[in-house]
Amino acid sequence: AQRVTQPEKLLSVFKGAPVELKCNYSYSGSPELFWYVQYSRQRLQLLLRHISRESIKGFTADLNKGETSFHLKKPFAQEEDSAMYYCASQHHNTDKLIFGTGTRLQVFP
Amino acid sequence: AAGVIQSPRHLIKEKRETATLKCYPIPRHDTVYWYQQGPGQDPQFLISFYEKMQSDKGSIPDRFSAQQFSDYHSELNMSSLELGDSALYFCASSATGVGDTQYFGPGTRLTVL
Repeated sequence: AQRVTQPEKLLSVFKGAPVELKCNYSYSGSPELFWYVQYSRQRLQLLLRHISRESIKGFTADLNKGETSFHLKKPFAQEEDSAMYYCASQHHNTDKLIFGTGTRLQVFP
Repeated sequence: AAGVIQSPRHLIKEKRETATLKCYPIPRHDTVYWYQQGPGQDPQFLISFYEKMQSDKGSIPDRFSAQQFSDYHSELNMSSLELGDSALYFCASSATGVGDTQYFGPGTRLTVL
């Protein structure tokens, strides 16, 4: 069965520091992977998906099939990046998202 | 741009009561998904509909049922409510189903007393 693991519940950094939110998936095929962000009192929003290979708000994520990881990175964190971040996977023959437990990112001034 | 709308935003019910949650997808989106997020937990997939037909089913209790109507809005019906049903219920919609981005609504917070 698909599983998404986010080992860190909370990650605290100072403004300007690099950030890496870890995500590992367990699936033998090639799932589609996403990062969703939830700012305080707002809905879940798509941040980026691996198939797009985009950089959104300075965040990037690279799919590493060897390590089955899809870590989210940003070189210089900003206070407005403080939010809950969920990694999610989607198998190619089903439409449901499998979410990780989420990592709360706190960026201090 | 129009987003996914959910109503009500908050709902308080007693044990053994029933509840109906509504979801209005983004215009021209034909697929709707329901997720349940318990306190301190990740969202768990419940059920999805594509073109008014159930397309996938997750860990949805038998006490729950859902459907998608001709205008593509969806309703999640929950009966014999239990304390453990207290959670945030998200609806999401997408344009084509598999592989397309899911856009989430603000959620309905259900509290069962």
